[in-house]
Amino acid sequence: DIQMTQSPSSLSASVGDRVTITCRASQSISNYLNWYQQKPGKAPKLLIYVASSLQSGVPSRFSGSGSGIDFTLTISSLQPEDFATYYCQQSYSTPWTFGQGTKVEIK
Amino acid sequence: EVQLVESGGGLVQPGGSLKLSCAASGFTFSGSAMHWVRQASGKGLEWVGRIRSKANSYATEYAASVKGRFTISRDDSKNTAYLQMNSLKTEDTAVYYCTRQGGAYGMDVWGQGTTVTVSS
Repeated sequence: DIQMTQSPSSLSASVGDRVTITCRASQSISNYLNWYQQKPGKAPKLLIYVASSLQSGVPSRFSGSGSGIDFTLTISSLQPEDFATYYCQQSYSTPWTFGQGTKVEIK
Repeated sequence: EVQLVESGGGLVQPGGSLKLSCAASGFTFSGSAMHWVRQASGKGLEWVGRIRSKANSYATEYAASVKGRFTISRDDSKNTAYLQMNSLKTEDTAVYYCTRQGGAYGMDVWGQGTTVTVSS
């Protein structure tokens, strides 16, 4: 199985900050990497698919990059509604696997 | 409106069975692969399995943790996917989400989730 490792596990940031979350795969997954946002008590929401494509309706302050093993989710200017947990997920091969999550908290 | 609605969750004893349903609306269900993802309380997301479309022979794949105990099926005439869970263990306790696989392999539509509690 492909292991996905996110860092950091949590971070504290202020509104307006630039935030970067990284995700590393245990083997090359080409660009089959997706990012999700989850707020407490809610279902996850797809933000980015195939590493860098912005899902319809997602604000442009979210961006993704990377290929192969290393990937990055960037929030260019953190907004109050962005405080949530973020997960990466590979769809290169089954079983699909998620990173352990990164909780973004208010500083 | 594109929507997935899960139902069928509840309390079940260890060793018991439960069948979850996922009713889809607002999109061409028959052409979509459907997944189940679960999340134990306070924990991360765990992929459970997938059923592909008729065009892909309704192929199914499962996580190792549920293989042989869980079965995913679908009824395209009812726009509904199912998760049959047998030989349930306490560690299967979680919120179970039904999701649609988008064209580029992200899971782009999620249901609200249904809670399964396995306890004596």
